[in-house]
Amino acid sequence: DGGITQSPKYLFRKEGQNVTLSCEQNLNHDAMYWYRQDPGQGLRLIYYSQIVNDFQKGDIAEGYSVSREKKESFPLTVTSAQKNPTAFYLCASSPGTGGNTGELFFGEGSRLTVL
Amino acid sequence: KNQVEQSPQSLIILEGKNCTLQCNYTVSPFSNLRWYKQDTGRGPVSLTIMTFSENTKSNGRYTATLDADTKQSSLHITASQLSDSASYICVVSVAGNTPLVFGKGTRLSVIA
Repeated sequence: DGGITQSPKYLFRKEGQNVTLSCEQNLNHDAMYWYRQDPGQGLRLIYYSQIVNDFQKGDIAEGYSVSREKKESFPLTVTSAQKNPTAFYLCASSPGTGGNTGELFFGEGSRLTVL
Repeated sequence: KNQVEQSPQSLIILEGKNCTLQCNYTVSPFSNLRWYKQDTGRGPVSLTIMTFSENTKSNGRYTATLDADTKQSSLHITASQLSDSASYICVVSVAGNTPLVFGKGTRLSVIA
């Protein structure tokens, strides 16, 4: 089945540790995105990538890093520099970008809790 | 600044009743507007897309409207079901190479 897969679904981390969230898609989409969702708030863009080996910062990139070495994969690393990392993280992909983004296809999300 | 405002923030209705969710946007230049449904703990799923020339579009019990002049959209849910309980997110696409603009969503609870 075509889709977008995030793992792990739940993750616990101690303060000061880096953690990497996986995102894989087999939809052949060029664009991929990472969003953060906190209770009562809308989705906020962390990073996005429109093509392989290229990515741009979103609205809240500080404390996060990404890579796009393959079209299918867009992992997100939450570093120790992120002051409040506990949140629900959503990965998405789309066939286009900007005004031609088309439908966003989301993964099931990864819930990160810092102990 | 491009913004999307949704109202109400939350809503509780009885099963079988209708409801309407609102989305106002200050996005320019406008490309299209989508409504997404997000079940608790899941990723959002697209319900419908509205382009500049479209006024009304239906998807089963969901009907979306768009008034491009007033920059308002609504999502009407008819004969609500318990499975309609979710957050509904309005997302506006900006012409050009600007990322999507998200509303904060409306949390709908349908009770028996």
